[in-house]
Amino acid sequence: EVQLVQSGAEVKKPGESLKISCKGSGYRFTSFWIGWVRQMPGKGLEWMGIIYPGDSETRYSPSFEGQVTFTVDTSIATAYLHWSRLKASDTANYYCVRPLRPGVVVTTDYWGQGTLVTVSS
Amino acid sequence: DIQMTQSPSSLSASVGDRVTITCRASQDISNYLAWYQQKPGKVPKLLIYHASTLQSGVPSRFGGSRSGTDFTLTISSLQPEDVATYYCQKYSSGPLTFGGGTKVEIK
Repeated sequence: EVQLVQSGAEVKKPGESLKISCKGSGYRFTSFWIGWVRQMPGKGLEWMGIIYPGDSETRYSPSFEGQVTFTVDTSIATAYLHWSRLKASDTANYYCVRPLRPGVVVTTDYWGQGTLVTVSS
Repeated sequence: DIQMTQSPSSLSASVGDRVTITCRASQDISNYLAWYQQKPGKVPKLLIYHASTLQSGVPSRFGGSRSGTDFTLTISSLQPEDVATYYCQKYSSGPLTFGGGTKVEIK
């Protein structure tokens, strides 16, 4: 069974750094892109970008370029979303997602359960 | 980048009604369009991809179609369990942009 299991909720202060995780199982982790989606409180879905675990190629959405960093550790089949300096406006639920097919960036059929990040002084 | 304009932003309909949601792409995206359903407090669920292909396990009352750069999600007979927000998403080249969402409620 394919699963994406994300790390737990976080409460941080502005200016702090944070890395949240997404562990894939039930499929060949290095063959499928992993994407990230933001959902701010009461708002819609926003595409942040995507990373290919096979070679760590990343494609950031323009709105998130320079604001976050995607990495992977293929030895433990885990993808990460990293902030170096959080802002209050980063408060949101973050989902990791996996596309329908291997090796291509297409729409996504598997979603993690979400990680709620709260940034407040 | 290609923009996705979804309408209406919300609608209220009676059980059994036919419901239509539209998504317009700012450029040609061929059939690279998906629809998601997000129930309150839940993770989004893929309903349709490639504009009209029903994802496995999705009830047949859901359907998708395309006319040029306009895409439509149709619920043929609205059920109480269909209360949710629906999003379109394009997956042609570039970012996989979502539409703004349509909140569907029961009248």
